[in-house]
Amino acid sequence: ETGVTQTPRHLVMGMTNKKSLKCEQHLGHNAMYWYKQSAKKPLELMFVYNFKEQTENNSVPSRFSPECPNSSHLFLHLHTLQPEDSALYLCASSPSSRELFFGEGSRLTVL
Amino acid sequence: AQKITQTQPGMFVQEKEAVTLDCTYDTSDQSYGLFWYKQPSSGEMIFLIYQGSYDEQNATEGRYSLNFQKARKSANLVISASQLGDSAMYFCAMREGYSGYSTLTFGKGTMLLVSP
Repeated sequence: ETGVTQTPRHLVMGMTNKKSLKCEQHLGHNAMYWYKQSAKKPLELMFVYNFKEQTENNSVPSRFSPECPNSSHLFLHLHTLQPEDSALYLCASSPSSRELFFGEGSRLTVL
Repeated sequence: AQKITQTQPGMFVQEKEAVTLDCTYDTSDQSYGLFWYKQPSSGEMIFLIYQGSYDEQNATEGRYSLNFQKARKSANLVISASQLGDSAMYFCAMREGYSGYSTLTFGKGTMLLVSP
């Protein structure tokens, strides 16, 4: 069982829907991350939160809206997405500048 | 320019043999970290091994070792005695500098298939 839990594991949504991805870490880490993994492309960093404060926003379109209410939870709110946003969204946490601990990902399909 | 280059899209190896997965990196920072992750078909990224730029010894973790050649900017992963469960995607990643958290840049990955 991973220390980083992501829900839902699979999500299908239309372009006009609003949905949210949830990530919870039970490891006591200070930093949390959202990465996007598209087919045949390297993992792309989207957002970083360190001690609940957003420290990185990697030029992500505003249709993706992150929220970090506390150091254990991270959300990614989705609205008016495009089909090219279909991907595996991976959440991770870390205690410092060492390794990231990833969840199993949320596979998103936008119709 | 790519910061992490993995030139092998796919590798095949027989069970019990050793395999080397290539990774080269590009950075002007003196302080950086190199990571390898394994991603099975389930999707989870599993941390395997870490090498710091100031570490003089090559990192080892069980059957995994990292062949770190700083002057050549390479950080190849060596898996000894391959097992069927090693079949997965393998990603090399780099953290540049130090900021209290880890913004990793990943390569495109290498698919490893282990046959009986």
